[in-house]
Amino acid sequence: GESVGLHLPTLSVQEGDNSIINCAYSNSASDYFIWYKQESGKGPQFIIDIRSNMDKRQGQRVTVLLNKTVKHLSLQIAATQPGDSAVYFCAENQGAQKLVFGQGTRLTINP
Amino acid sequence: DTGVSQDPRHKITKRGQNVTFRCDPISEHNRLYWYRQTLGQGPEFLTYFQNEAQLEKSRLLSDRFSAERPKGSFSTLEIQRTEQGDSAMYLCASGPGVAAKNIQYFGAGTRLSVL
Repeated sequence: GESVGLHLPTLSVQEGDNSIINCAYSNSASDYFIWYKQESGKGPQFIIDIRSNMDKRQGQRVTVLLNKTVKHLSLQIAATQPGDSAVYFCAENQGAQKLVFGQGTRLTINP
Repeated sequence: DTGVSQDPRHKITKRGQNVTFRCDPISEHNRLYWYRQTLGQGPEFLTYFQNEAQLEKSRLLSDRFSAERPKGSFSTLEIQRTEQGDSAMYLCASGPGVAAKNIQYFGAGTRLSVL
């Protein structure tokens, strides 16, 4: 079936620490994955993506890891800042059609 | 600002009324998507367009919902005879529609409240 899930609905970290947000997906045919950040009252904002032929991709302060063997994605945020507080969604795609989103993880940064 | 505009940002209506939302995508994108998001959940796919053609509709899109993209640019989503269960954030996204790299850029959404 089509489902994208997350291990933890909430995550609280200290400012300056690294954050790791996890995501499990069930469709082994999915070929593309995206992490989105959604702040209150706003639409999802693209953070980083990864194709299924890669296992790691780095951006500015963010890294996405893909483990196809266990169908698992993670988003690592280095040196978290107050502005990183948001809900983070992973989404999977098969072909060039709809994205299937998980429930999301709320990241809270403690000062 | 992603470049995807949605109007209005908020809509309050009474049950049974019709509402229409508008989305202006990023101009060079040929794909346009509509999603619905309820509190605490991720966005759920409703429908998408390739240029002016509506290629897929979710089973969530009942007969009361209709979407158009008449000239392959902006799109409208109409809900007829609104029900309280229609209350949600309606998100529009656009993208280039490239297989295996289907980036979608979202607008800020239209929040619908049905009283």
